[in-house]
Amino acid sequence: DIQMTQSPSSLSASVGDRVTITCRTSQSISSHLTWHQHKPGKAPKLLIYATSSLQSGVPSRFSGSGSGTDFTLTISSLQPEDFATYYCQQSYSTPLTFGGGTKVEIK
Amino acid sequence: QVQLVESGGGVVQPGRSLRLSCAASGFTFSDYALHWVRQAPGKGLEWVAFISYDGTNKYYADSVKGRFTISRDNSKNTLFLQMNSLRAEDTAVYFCARGFGSGSYVHDYWGQGTLVTVSS
Repeated sequence: DIQMTQSPSSLSASVGDRVTITCRTSQSISSHLTWHQHKPGKAPKLLIYATSSLQSGVPSRFSGSGSGTDFTLTISSLQPEDFATYYCQQSYSTPLTFGGGTKVEIK
Repeated sequence: QVQLVESGGGVVQPGRSLRLSCAASGFTFSDYALHWVRQAPGKGLEWVAFISYDGTNKYYADSVKGRFTISRDNSKNTLFLQMNSLRAEDTAVYFCARGFGSGSYVHDYWGQGTLVTVSS
């Protein structure tokens, strides 16, 4: 199974801050990396697929980069609606696996 | 718009069975693979199962293999998860998600989930 190591597990930030979340995989997954946003009681939301492709309707302040085993999600200017938990996920092979999540909280 | 609505959750005793459903609308159901993903209380997301657009290919997490069965009825736009021999560690919110992209392994739309509690 492909192991996903996501960091940090939580962070505190202010509106307008630049936020970076990293995800490392235990083996190369090429560009098959996805990022989701999840708020309590809501359906998770796809943000980015194939490492850097922005899902339709997702604001351009979200961006993704990386390849192989190291990947990054960046929020260029944090907005109030961005406070949530973010998960990376490899879409390379089954069993599909997720990172442990990063909870983004208000400072 | 794409909608996925899960149902069938509840409280069940260890060792018993439960069947979850996911009703889909807003897209051509028979064109897409589907997944079940779960989230235990206070934990992260865990992929559970995959079914191809026509139901011929099915994959499972090791934690549920042999106990859970994924299926679909393309005439009724509905996805199912039959859960047998339930354990306390199966307690979670269960989400259905549509598959997209290479291998259909990207989850582009999700339901809001249904809670399964396994407890005596």
